[in-house]
Amino acid sequence: RKEVEQDPGPFNVPEGATVAFNCTYSNSASQSFFWYRQDCRKEPKLLMSVYSSGNEDGRFTAQLNRASQYISLLIRDSKLSDSATYLCVVNTGFQKLVFGTGTRLLVSP
Amino acid sequence: DGGITQSPKYLFRKEGQNVTLSCEQNLNHDAMYWYRQDPGQGLRLIYYSQIVNDFQKGDIAEGYSVSREKKESFPLTVTSAQKNPTAFYLCASTNQDYTEAFFGQGTRLTVV
Repeated sequence: RKEVEQDPGPFNVPEGATVAFNCTYSNSASQSFFWYRQDCRKEPKLLMSVYSSGNEDGRFTAQLNRASQYISLLIRDSKLSDSATYLCVVNTGFQKLVFGTGTRLLVSP
Repeated sequence: DGGITQSPKYLFRKEGQNVTLSCEQNLNHDAMYWYRQDPGQGLRLIYYSQIVNDFQKGDIAEGYSVSREKKESFPLTVTSAQKNPTAFYLCASTNQDYTEAFFGQGTRLTVV
């Protein structure tokens, strides 16, 4: 089983839609969790950290479910500019960050 | 400004040659990483280093080598043993509590 797994997509949604991605992780001792955004042919950039209590940043909401070992990212009111690949990142507790393969989002007019 | 610098941005290699990709950071981070990304694929870990003079293999270390002689520098050598080296290579570092990873702009390596 992979340490971090994501649905590669693509998720095709119209502007204004709400879309959610999940990411599962295998190591129950994992300590911290993040969502990164990667635009085509660019380096990944931190979108948001995921806290145990859940957190929100504008249209983006991230949640952690430790019991089921997954994190989620919800995007409301999708914009064309949200089109990108969203990478789930987990600090597995072995002092390394493990990246998921990413979920591709395409927002259309 | 603090950050990670990778060079060169584009690199062409002839088959059978070794090439070295540079990664320098001035963030005072202990941990540094090398990832490989193929078109339409996610990031795969090649090597990582948590401290100077120490490094560990990642998931796809075969055909690659690294060194960590200085905290600021973590160069990656793609050897001739790497059968399919054409890819996008990303270097990253993390802060002390592993709450954020910072990336360089990447190096695109093409075998010609």
